[in-house]
Amino acid sequence: TQLLEQSPQFLSIQEGENLTVYCNSSSVFSSLQWYRQEPGEGPVLLVTVVTGGEVKKLKRLTFQFGDARKDSSLHITAAQPGDTGLYLCAGVGDSSYKLIFGSGTRLLVRP
Amino acid sequence: NAGVTQTPKFRILKIGQSMTLQCAQDMNHNYMYWYRQDPGMGLKLIYYSVGAGITDKGEVPNGYNVSRSTTEDFPLRLELAAPSQTSVYFCASSYSRPLQYFGPGTRLLVL
Repeated sequence: TQLLEQSPQFLSIQEGENLTVYCNSSSVFSSLQWYRQEPGEGPVLLVTVVTGGEVKKLKRLTFQFGDARKDSSLHITAAQPGDTGLYLCAGVGDSSYKLIFGSGTRLLVRP
Repeated sequence: NAGVTQTPKFRILKIGQSMTLQCAQDMNHNYMYWYRQDPGMGLKLIYYSVGAGITDKGEVPNGYNVSRSTTEDFPLRLELAAPSQTSVYFCASSYSRPLQYFGPGTRLLVL
């Protein structure tokens, strides 16, 4: 069974601070996705990383896929209150139809 | 495009009752999925479909049934509601796997 563990589970920081969220597994994934979910809404896809070692940037968000394609990280620079939400990583599992979700990191950015 | 729509938004069921959660997408996506999200957790796949007339089980299919008679619609049926089915249910669709668009969710409470 493929599992994804996210850490930390909860993060409360001040506006302007930097943070990193981790997504780890003992399994290899063909690709990995990051989603953000706001209260009362469905997850929204932020990025997909495919190649081991790949780094993608989305404004102040930097996503990295581990060389062995077993882990990923999300780094946010100068966090803003609008970044508040639940961040979910999801790996493409044994069947490429299915996503394996981590349990999420809940981020609160205080003004 | 409306994207992925779900009805109802919220429902309270008594133990043993049945109901159907509706999901529709207007993006002509072949792939559709049902997930459940328990408090503080990631998403778990219930059922998925790769096209009209084709469905398959995900991680947690027990207590649920699906059908896919058209490309647009993918209803989820709960036959005998149990408290363990209290959750938020998300429908998703994709054109190119595993990219997924999520609906806004149905919040279900079984008492």
